[in-house]
Amino acid sequence: DGGITQSPKYLFRKEGQNVTLSCEQNLNHDAMYWYRQDPGQGLRLIYYSQIVNDFQKGDIAEGYSVSREKKESFPLTVTSAQKNPTAFYLCASSTGTGWSNQPQHFGDGTRLSIL
Amino acid sequence: SQQGEEDPQALSIQEGENATMNCSYKTSINNLQWYRQNSGRGLVHLILIRSNEREKHSGRLRVTLDTSKKSSSLLITASRAADTASYFCALPLNQGGSEKLVFGKGTKLTVNP
Repeated sequence: DGGITQSPKYLFRKEGQNVTLSCEQNLNHDAMYWYRQDPGQGLRLIYYSQIVNDFQKGDIAEGYSVSREKKESFPLTVTSAQKNPTAFYLCASSTGTGWSNQPQHFGDGTRLSIL
Repeated sequence: SQQGEEDPQALSIQEGENATMNCSYKTSINNLQWYRQNSGRGLVHLILIRSNEREKHSGRLRVTLDTSKKSSSLLITASRAADTASYFCALPLNQGGSEKLVFGKGTKLTVNP
């Protein structure tokens, strides 16, 4: 079945540590996104990529980095510069054409906590 | 800024009743989407309604869009315990030449058996 796989489901970060969240899709979608969700809040866009080897900052990119070397993969690194990383992280994808007019498909998220 | 505001923030009903949640927004849009999120899971796309559509159905879901009032509603008929989830509206926003989807804070629906 086609879908988006995020791993790990739970992740703990130590002080000063960088951690990487994995996102893989087999939907053949061009566009991929990373969102952060805090309790009782909507989603906030961290980074997005509309094509391989290209990505743009979203609303809250500081303290995060991404890469898009393959169409299927869009890993997110939470760096030590992100002082409040505790949140639920969601990866999504969509067809690339007019992407704000297309449904987005989501993974089941990674919950990141600070040790 | 453009963001859908869902109303109510929380809704608790009995199984079999209908549930209605609303989304209001500020600027013109060409479409609006509704998503569902079960606790601890990712979002699932429910319906996309375009600005030239007034109503759209999918199973027990009915979405309306009133562009003159800048509002949309999601109706779930004959609700079931499995409908317990948070529901979000999402709007397209053109910002600085790039487009993105902006999600509201959601309505938390509880359907009691």
